[in-house]
Amino acid sequence: EAGVAQSPRYKIIEKRQSVAFWCNPISGHATLYWYQQILGQGPKLLIQFQNNGVVDDSQLPKDRFSAERLKGVDSTLKIQPAKLEDSAVYLCASSLGPRTSREQFFGPGTRLTVL
Amino acid sequence: QQQVKQSPQSLIVQKGGIPIINCAYENTAFDYFPWYQQFPGKGPALLIAIRPDVSEKKEGRFTISFNKSAKQFSLHIMDSQPGDSATYFCAARKMNRDDKIIFGKGTRLHILP
Repeated sequence: EAGVAQSPRYKIIEKRQSVAFWCNPISGHATLYWYQQILGQGPKLLIQFQNNGVVDDSQLPKDRFSAERLKGVDSTLKIQPAKLEDSAVYLCASSLGPRTSREQFFGPGTRLTVL
Repeated sequence: QQQVKQSPQSLIVQKGGIPIINCAYENTAFDYFPWYQQFPGKGPALLIAIRPDVSEKKEGRFTISFNKSAKQFSLHIMDSQPGDSATYFCAARKMNRDDKIIFGKGTRLHILP
């Protein structure tokens, strides 16, 4: 079974530029999560989707971050404009759903460096 | 506010030793306590988990000890191997509520050959 796919793996941008990350969850997984992992810290949930609807985006900085999950499969996370403090690894995870297995499977992440 | 406190930040152990990583939590609404293992360039992967009605759980060389009254839990790795070198995160979830995973800050473990 293929795991969670993410691209790109690495991205370097200058502050005030925009950037987008892509995630393809495990086939059949209804729930998709985006996490931010700052160096030396544990992952922090940014947004959770159930199919193509947002379940929780309480920790998403909505003035600069946006995410969508069209058709309930792939998802993109965008930052516009980026700040220095956005440098982090952005992890995507997926799970079958709230009424089945809630184990979350993580992708390898996208390492973002903002200069 | 850090809901899950993890220590130590880093740990170096000789091969065959028993590294112990400790975590503490405040919110008694947490009802599921997983540990994740993360290798460089990879996402975290679930290693082992425990519910608060159990005081200990073993899976292979990995053991979780859970002290509900103290609101503490720990991971022990028996007969540690260089391949166990990774970052370990404790976490807590409220499975019957919002189901978020709250991660600790992580412990970078290095097993010397």
